[in-house]
Amino acid sequence: GAGVSQSPSNKVTEKGKDVELRCDPISGHTALYWYRQSLGQGLEFLIYFQGNSAPDKSGLPSDRFSAERTGGSVSTLTIQRTQQEDSAVYLCATQLNGGASDTQYFGPGTRLTVL
Amino acid sequence: GIQVEQSPPDLILQEGANSTLRCNFSDSVNNLQWFHQNPWGQLINLFYIPSGTKQNGRLSATTVATERYSLLYISSSQTTDSGVYFCAVSPSKIIFGSGTRLSIRP
Repeated sequence: GAGVSQSPSNKVTEKGKDVELRCDPISGHTALYWYRQSLGQGLEFLIYFQGNSAPDKSGLPSDRFSAERTGGSVSTLTIQRTQQEDSAVYLCATQLNGGASDTQYFGPGTRLTVL
Repeated sequence: GIQVEQSPPDLILQEGANSTLRCNFSDSVNNLQWFHQNPWGQLINLFYIPSGTKQNGRLSATTVATERYSLLYISSSQTTDSGVYFCAVSPSKIIFGSGTRLSIRP
């Protein structure tokens, strides 16, 4: 596609439920990042994919969070047994090759609200 | 890990004013980028600038890697410049600063 897309754009869930967030990267982009942005805060790195592998998943806050990427394309971020502190905007960004000089292109984000 | 500090945290200006935003980082980096997040949440890359100076229209940026800081200059600001400006650095994974919230009043 022309840009990075994310779905759903908004998700409201009850505490304890599982949620799955999706990121569709720009076609051909090999590097994919997930970030979390709490209200009024900066971006918190969660995980980085190069192709289908995740060389850096150090930002995942707990074992309730997991992510996968298939076919070097779509990525899903899964949060199990959601908690209220998981409420945030989850942003996906992609780069063509993941090199230091590559521009990051961000999706519009998924706003997650845990009641 | 590396620390990224941005200043000021908030800035309110009249349309037409100039501004300077600062990003300090605590360790050597091989990548530094400036982003603008508009009031609707969309993040747009402004500059990739690990060192030196770049200009794009009314915006310019300078990074002095040896002194571990970068500056973003906005001249003749417009209301559409409002939003949050982030710098992000990467020795390896990308680390974002907490941002400068800029509000331009007509």
